[in-house]
Amino acid sequence: GAVVSQHPSWVICKSGTSVKIECRSLDFQATTMFWYRQFPKQSLMLMATSNEGSKATYEQGVEKDKFLINHASLTLSTLTVTSAHPEDSSFYICSARTVKAGANVLTFGAGSRLTVL
Amino acid sequence: KQEVTQIPAALSVPEGENLVLNCSFTDSAIYNLQWFRQDPGKGLTSLLLIQSSQREQTSGRLNASLDKSSGRSTLYIAASQPGDSATYLCAVRFGWAAGNKLTFGGGTRVLVKP
Repeated sequence: GAVVSQHPSWVICKSGTSVKIECRSLDFQATTMFWYRQFPKQSLMLMATSNEGSKATYEQGVEKDKFLINHASLTLSTLTVTSAHPEDSSFYICSARTVKAGANVLTFGAGSRLTVL
Repeated sequence: KQEVTQIPAALSVPEGENLVLNCSFTDSAIYNLQWFRQDPGKGLTSLLLIQSSQREQTSGRLNASLDKSSGRSTLYIAASQPGDSATYLCAVRFGWAAGNKLTFGGGTRVLVKP
């Protein structure tokens, strides 16, 4: 089955530093990947849609200069949280889209927990 | 504004009791609706996907219904087990133009007590 891997699964960093999170589709090619953020006890909120080879489309209220998304290949998208602050501490989840039997299928990664001190 | 709401936010039941989880959405012109399970600190596991043309989907002890006219979906879990304890999320794809964007409800945290 389709597998999406996120790395790292958790990371602690100092305020002001940048953190990169990777999202890889292990056994399929994903033309589109989605990045979500989830604060404690809240639901997932879509941050951006990432298409291979083009600029990401950000949701309203998400700073594109702060959350840099790169989708350089069909199996890898990265989210970089630049100049992280404690309020960026959250659970970040990616999902990758593929097509099976003519139907769109979304597969979610296990998530990456970011704690900014 | 297209919104998805899940009530209650938390639910506690004794083992063996049937679970009923509710999801409501504001726009009846949906493309599909999906139920997920999330364990603490983990990603999402897809449980059931209901297309807009369907009224229900079943998988084992799980059954999900869809009523577009009233903007509701219900997830039934029969004969609950402690292993069913998790957060259950409902997500809606509002129309083809939305691509694969999913709008998530706030989730219902379920605790099944042995």
